Amino acid sequence: LAKTTQPISMDSYEGQEVNITCSHNNIATNDYITWYQQFPSQGPRFIIQGYKTKVTNEVASLFIPADRKSSTLSLPRVSLSDTAVYYCLVGDVGNYQLIWGAGTKLIIKP
Amino acid sequence: SAVISQKPSRDICQRGTSLTIQCQVDSQVTMMFWYRQQPGQSLTLIATANQGSEATYESGFVIDKFPISRPNLTFSTLTVSNMSPEDSSIYLCSVVPHGGFGAFFGQGTRLTVV
Repeated sequence: LAKTTQPISMDSYEGQEVNITCSHNNIATNDYITWYQQFPSQGPRFIIQGYKTKVTNEVASLFIPADRKSSTLSLPRVSLSDTAVYYCLVGDVGNYQLIWGAGTKLIIKP
Repeated sequence: SAVISQKPSRDICQRGTSLTIQCQVDSQVTMMFWYRQQPGQSLTLIATANQGSEATYESGFVIDKFPISRPNLTFSTLTVSNMSPEDSSIYLCSVVPHGGFGAFFGQGTRLTVV
């Protein structure tokens, strides 16, 4: 199971674009990259998943370079409500016994 | 997606007692998992709940302490047995829907052992 490395914390301001990068040097061929968001006293919430290149949905974009050794979650025009912990996970889509790292605590300021 | 109902949402229990946490999903799911998350920490997988057979436990977790049932594809229980204050944590149920990508989580059960 591939391990991931993320910044422990980040600060930004409302209206800005926030990019959180995750390193996963030992990613395997079958592994997908998945990002979750967690608010205090709630379970994690699935944000986005990708295998390569770029994936976009209504809340975020995920950029994955060709070597797949890293990925970047992009949150456009953040608001105060985006303050949360963001987790990057890597694993086979058919195997969810994933290793959860410490995540990135994102604080959005007014 | 899947809607997960986890009960109870919180409880305060005496040491030495046991608590059973229920996880109900609104649709049949491929996989169900139980996690533990201590305050301010990341998630730790306890076990995979297997339908119709014994759960698969991760290193450091044993069936006698955390018995798990999964009688069908939409329901599972986790029991925290013979509790001690060290068991105080948030317990989370997680599911992977059929053919879906990504796991979905319940709201969690906040357990305090006194």
